[in-house]
Amino acid sequence: EAGVVQSPRYKIIEKKQPVAFWCNPISGHNTLYWYLQNLGQGPELLIRYENEEAVDDSQLPKDRFSAERLKGVDSTLKIQPAELGDSAVYLCASSFGPQNIQYFGAGTRLSVL
Amino acid sequence: GDSVTQMEGPVTLSEEAFLTINCTYTATGYPSLFWYVQYPGEGLQLLLKATKADDKGSNKGFEATYRKETTSFHLEKGSVQVSDSAVYFCALTSPNFGNEKLTFGTGTRLTIIP
Repeated sequence: EAGVVQSPRYKIIEKKQPVAFWCNPISGHNTLYWYLQNLGQGPELLIRYENEEAVDDSQLPKDRFSAERLKGVDSTLKIQPAELGDSAVYLCASSFGPQNIQYFGAGTRLSVL
Repeated sequence: GDSVTQMEGPVTLSEEAFLTINCTYTATGYPSLFWYVQYPGEGLQLLLKATKADDKGSNKGFEATYRKETTSFHLEKGSVQVSDSAVYFCALTSPNFGNEKLTFGTGTRLTIIP
C-alpha cells in the first residue's frame, strides 16, 4: 500500500516568491492534515480537511497561506509571498476518519533565502 | 491548553544499552497518548499508543505505560540497536477536541553507537 506522498522533497526560494506543496494521501483516507515543523520542534497543525471541507484552519496564517483539497483527494498548500521565517518542514498526514491513526508523508523542506 | 513535555536531547547510547525517554503531559480529561518515530529522511511513523490509564503500548521492543497519577508516558527499550537511531516524539490527542488534534512534544534525537 502506498503511503502519503509529498512533493517536492526540497524547495529553495527567495523571499517574497510564491511556493506550493502537494500532497497525495493514502487511498480512502478522507481526513487530511497539513503540519508545520520548525527545526528542533514537534509538528504543529496548520489545517485539517474532512473530504473537501477545511474543518479546522484556526492555525493557518491566512494572510499569506492558503490550501485547497479539490475533489477530496490531493491537496495543495501555498505560501505567497514567502518570508524568511517560513523556512521549515511542511508535513502532510492522512487518516481514515479524524479519530484514527494519522499517517505522515516524508515532508517538504522549505528554505527561504 | 494541552501540552507535552519531553526529555531534552540529544541522547547518545551504546548498542545494547537500556533506553528511557521521559514524557509528561498536561491535559484535561483522559487523553490518548502516542509515541511517533522519525527516521532520517522519512515521515513520522506511529510507534505505539495507549488510550486509557494503565494501558501499556508496545512495538518493536519499545514499551510505554500510561500513568495517570504521574501524567507520564515514558518510552523504554531494554536493548537498543543502531537501527533505533531516530527522533522520537511523544504526542497526545484530547477528548476535548474529539481526539482529532495531535499535540506533539519537541522530540528527542537518539543516536546509538556500535
